[in-house]
Amino acid sequence: DIRMTQSPASLSASLGETVNIECLASEDIYSDLAWYQQKPGKSPQLLIYNANSLQNGVPSRFSGSGSGTQYSLKINSLQSEDVATYFCQQYNNYPNTFGAGTKLELK
Amino acid sequence: EVQLVESGGGLVQPGRSLKLSCAASGFTFSNYYMAWVRQAPKKGLEWVATISTSGSRTYYPDSVKGRFTISRDNAKSSLYLQMNSLKSEDTATYYCARQPRSFPYYFDYWGQGVMVTVSS
Repeated sequence: DIRMTQSPASLSASLGETVNIECLASEDIYSDLAWYQQKPGKSPQLLIYNANSLQNGVPSRFSGSGSGTQYSLKINSLQSEDVATYFCQQYNNYPNTFGAGTKLELK
Repeated sequence: EVQLVESGGGLVQPGRSLKLSCAASGFTFSNYYMAWVRQAPKKGLEWVATISTSGSRTYYPDSVKGRFTISRDNAKSSLYLQMNSLKSEDTATYYCARQPRSFPYYFDYWGQGVMVTVSS
């Protein structure tokens, strides 16, 4: 199975700050990567697919980048509603696998 | 508006069975692959099963293969997960999710989830 390693496991940031979350795949996943946001007590919501495509309705302050084995999610101008846990997922190979998550809190 | 509503969760003893259901609306159900994804308490996400549009192809990870069966009824826009020989490690919130394309792929809509607790 492809292992997805997310970093950091948690982070604290201030309103208006820019945040970066990393996801490292154990092998090349050819940009078959998605990012999800899960707010407390809610189900996950798709933010980014194909490494850098923004899902309909997702604010433009969210962006994704990367290739090969290294990917990142960037949140510009952090808002209070962005407090959540973020997961990456690879779908290049069976079985699709998720990162352990990054918990984002406000400083 | 896409809606996925799960039901059928609850407390079940180890070794017993449980069947989850997911009612879909707001899209043409028969055009999409569908899946179940679970999340153990305070843990990450784990894909559990995927089914093709017609139901002819199903996919499972090794952790549930042979114990879980995914199925669908396109006439009723419904998805199911039959879980047999349940173990304590199957305790989780189970989400019904839509896949825009064939397996493997990402999940573009998720239900609110249903809790399954396996305990004696």
